[in-house]
Amino acid sequence: NAGVMQNPRHLVRRRGQEARLRCSPMKGHSHVYWYRQLPEEGLKFMVYLQKENIIDESGMPKERFSAEFPKEGPSILRIQQVVRGDSAAYFCASSPRVRVGNTIYFGEGSWLTVV
Amino acid sequence: AQKVTQAQTEISVVEKEDVTLDCVYETRDTTYYLFWYKQPPSGELVFLIRRNSFDEQNEISGRYSWNFQKSTSSFNFTITASQVVDSAVYFCALSGGTTDSWGKLQFGAGTQVVVTP
Repeated sequence: NAGVMQNPRHLVRRRGQEARLRCSPMKGHSHVYWYRQLPEEGLKFMVYLQKENIIDESGMPKERFSAEFPKEGPSILRIQQVVRGDSAAYFCASSPRVRVGNTIYFGEGSWLTVV
Repeated sequence: AQKVTQAQTEISVVEKEDVTLDCVYETRDTTYYLFWYKQPPSGELVFLIRRNSFDEQNEISGRYSWNFQKSTSSFNFTITASQVVDSAVYFCALSGGTTDSWGKLQFGAGTQVVVTP
């Protein structure tokens, strides 16, 4: 799992600001998943992306949250107008392709604190 | 709907004791995968094991062992001769076995393991 790189590791934002979390998947991986770990809710799936495509965003909040995975560069999870309830750990995972049975490796997480 | 239940919130043991973590799952899928992940105090998620629904063979890997029983929908995890470095939160997770559902893990609430010297 050391190959999935997330940054920043820790991010502090004031209410109303924007947060951008970046995820570089393991080399050769073209599938990215974002998860959120809220203090009282545990780890929840947010979104699944392939290069230039959002495949499943069923876990994304309806407003203020967006994700992208461009052809070049890392995947970005963007949170606009952050509120205190967005304070959480955000984990990215990657997989080489959609082959059932592939191990899903997580990055070290990005901890967002909204003050 | 899929559901993973880890009834144990916290387990405290003294070093060298064995620790067994319980995991019970619910799914309507006939093909599915079960995982255990470890989250140490530093926060990262560390993959431990993956099992598919057709592989009920239990396994031992070093100090870790797993007991998968489809009849009781359980996927328990045991640490033998625990060490202080085993202190972490352990998560059981479930994924469907189709390309649409792969990667969408349903996590349990986690069990905090505290190993004291």
